[in-house]
Amino acid sequence: AQSVTQLDSQVPVFEEAPVELRCNYSSSVSVYLFWYVQYPNQGLQLLLKYLSGSTLVESINGFEAEFNKSQTSFHLRKPSVHISDTAEYFCAVLGTASKLTFGTGTRLQVTL
Amino acid sequence: DGGITQSPKYLFRKEGQNVTLSCEQNLNHDAMYWYRQDPGQGLRLIYYSQIVNDFQKGDIAEGYSVSREKKESFPLTVTSAQKNPTAFYLCASSMAQTETQYFGPGTRLLVL
Repeated sequence: AQSVTQLDSQVPVFEEAPVELRCNYSSSVSVYLFWYVQYPNQGLQLLLKYLSGSTLVESINGFEAEFNKSQTSFHLRKPSVHISDTAEYFCAVLGTASKLTFGTGTRLQVTL
Repeated sequence: DGGITQSPKYLFRKEGQNVTLSCEQNLNHDAMYWYRQDPGQGLRLIYYSQIVNDFQKGDIAEGYSVSREKKESFPLTVTSAQKNPTAFYLCASSMAQTETQYFGPGTRLLVL
């Protein structure tokens, strides 16, 4: 069985500060990893994904995540956040039986 | 525009009533999924379909039913057997079960 752990349910941060949202996973097989973002009362939008190749993946709005196989982690980072980044972020792993398993989410709250 | 549409945005159910949530996609995706989202629990898989006229139960299928008569459509019925139906329901689709999933805007179901 596979699982995803997002230890931080909420992360408050000031605008223009850096942020890291943590994600750890467990799986007995090779995995694909994803970060999705959800704004209030909306569906999930794909932020970035790791399928293979370079372990560092980037999104168009300045987020990046690094796949670390030895630590089974896929943490999401941004060097300088904006108010508009306030949202809920979900880490997900696609592995066993091609099933997508989600973490419980991290609410990023950016304030002035 | 290509994408996934869900209707209605809000839906109210009376006790003992069945309700059907609509999900349509024009992405030519073979696989479609229904998830339920509750606060603090992430997303849980209800049903999925890899191909027309075929579908499988997910982790929390009890009290729900689906059909897949057309490639573009995957409606979800919440039956009266589902005792706690209040939640945010998300539909997703992907080229195949091993591919990236893309989400619709969601339907919020409330019980009167």
